[in-house]
Amino acid sequence: EAQVTQNPRYLITVTGKKLTVTCSQNMNHEYMSWYRQDPGLGLRQIYYSMNVEVTDKGDVPEGYKVSRKEKRNFPLILESPSPNQTSLYFCASSDIGGLRDHEQFFGPGTRLTVL
Amino acid sequence: AQTVTQSQPEMSVQEAETVTLSCTYDTSESDYYLFWYKQPPSRQMILVIRQEAYKQQNATENRFSVNFQKAAKSFSLKISDSQLGDAAMYFCAYRRDDKIIFGKGTRLHILP
Repeated sequence: EAQVTQNPRYLITVTGKKLTVTCSQNMNHEYMSWYRQDPGLGLRQIYYSMNVEVTDKGDVPEGYKVSRKEKRNFPLILESPSPNQTSLYFCASSDIGGLRDHEQFFGPGTRLTVL
Repeated sequence: AQTVTQSQPEMSVQEAETVTLSCTYDTSESDYYLFWYKQPPSRQMILVIRQEAYKQQNATENRFSVNFQKAAKSFSLKISDSQLGDAAMYFCAYRRDDKIIFGKGTRLHILP
């Protein structure tokens, strides 16, 4: 089954404790992206990747890191989480050949709470 | 910079009636894509419909259709014969190459 998986689905942590949210897709998509969703703000792009070893900042990259060592995986790293990073996070992937007409496939979301 | 605006934070519609969700965007590009995503209480993001800017014909998917007005930069979603399962948050999104921007969403309530 074609899908994007994220782990963990729920996470409660404390300020400053490094964490990683994993994202994996099995559709051989070149493009992958991370978003955060906050009430009243919609989805905002954190980072995206056009291919292996190619990553770029989105609209809200501060406090986050990503890596793209393999095509299928695109982990989101919070080196020193803070309470303002409490949010719902989505990973998404899509093709790039017809980049402009391919929908994004979303993971199920990760609910992160930073105390 | 591109922006996407959904001016209705919440809307309600009677079951079986028709409702229209509005979306406007700002871009200087002529070639791009527009999407409507549905997010039910499960939080899963589900593609409802998409529109290629170079196509004049409005996209339709069963009970869902769009009114795409390129000159006005407007992309509204019409849901016909509303059903209880249509209750969700709806997001309008713009995509041009690697740039993807979402609106803030409209929460749709279906009244039985």
